[in-house]
Amino acid sequence: TQLLEQSPQFLSIQEGENLTVYCNSSSVFSSLQWYRQEPGEGPVLLVTVVTGGEVKKLKRLTFQFGDARKDSSLHITAAQPGDTGLYLCAANRDDKIIFGKGTRLHILP
Amino acid sequence: DAGITQSPRYKITETGRQVTLMCHQTWSHSYMFWYRQDLGHGLRLIYYSAAADITDKGEVPDGYVVSRSKTENFPLTLESATRSQTSVYFCASSERRGGADTQYFGPGTRLTVL
Repeated sequence: TQLLEQSPQFLSIQEGENLTVYCNSSSVFSSLQWYRQEPGEGPVLLVTVVTGGEVKKLKRLTFQFGDARKDSSLHITAAQPGDTGLYLCAANRDDKIIFGKGTRLHILP
Repeated sequence: DAGITQSPRYKITETGRQVTLMCHQTWSHSYMFWYRQDLGHGLRLIYYSAAADITDKGEVPDGYVVSRSKTENFPLTLESATRSQTSVYFCASSERRGGADTQYFGPGTRLTVL
């Protein structure tokens, strides 16, 4: 059983559209992170959320941590080709970081 | 240059051979990690280290050996490579252990075992 379920697995949309990807679990976490990974590179941290209901914005990206701290979403407004990549969520369980399998996002120009 | 580096970036080897993947970080971070990334599995932790001479198993440690004689280096050795160890390997470091701390990843080593 995957601890962190990310959906959708793949998403291909046109430049300028909005999108939301999800990271869900049945477990409660003390914090949750989102990373972006581009082809041929390692993941890079985008944000860490620690409080239930917390919303953080990073330019056109909006991250939300669920009230119960079991899930999170990433919303991208007016997607750009530079947003293309693999988006990974990661959560702290027993002082170990567990990663989801990721959402592979492709923005078409 | 500051950061975290991995070498080699690409490696092809044969079943049964010993392979060592190198990882070096310049931040003096206490914690270092080795992950493997495979389609359908995502990132899985192999081993981690809290400090020099302190290492511990992650989710998928079988077939791998690590050492950490110096804070800045964390080599990963496949003692007898198998085809199932074909993967992309990432090294990472962080100041502290815990979900709220940033992990900084290297660029990865793509390993193919024939």
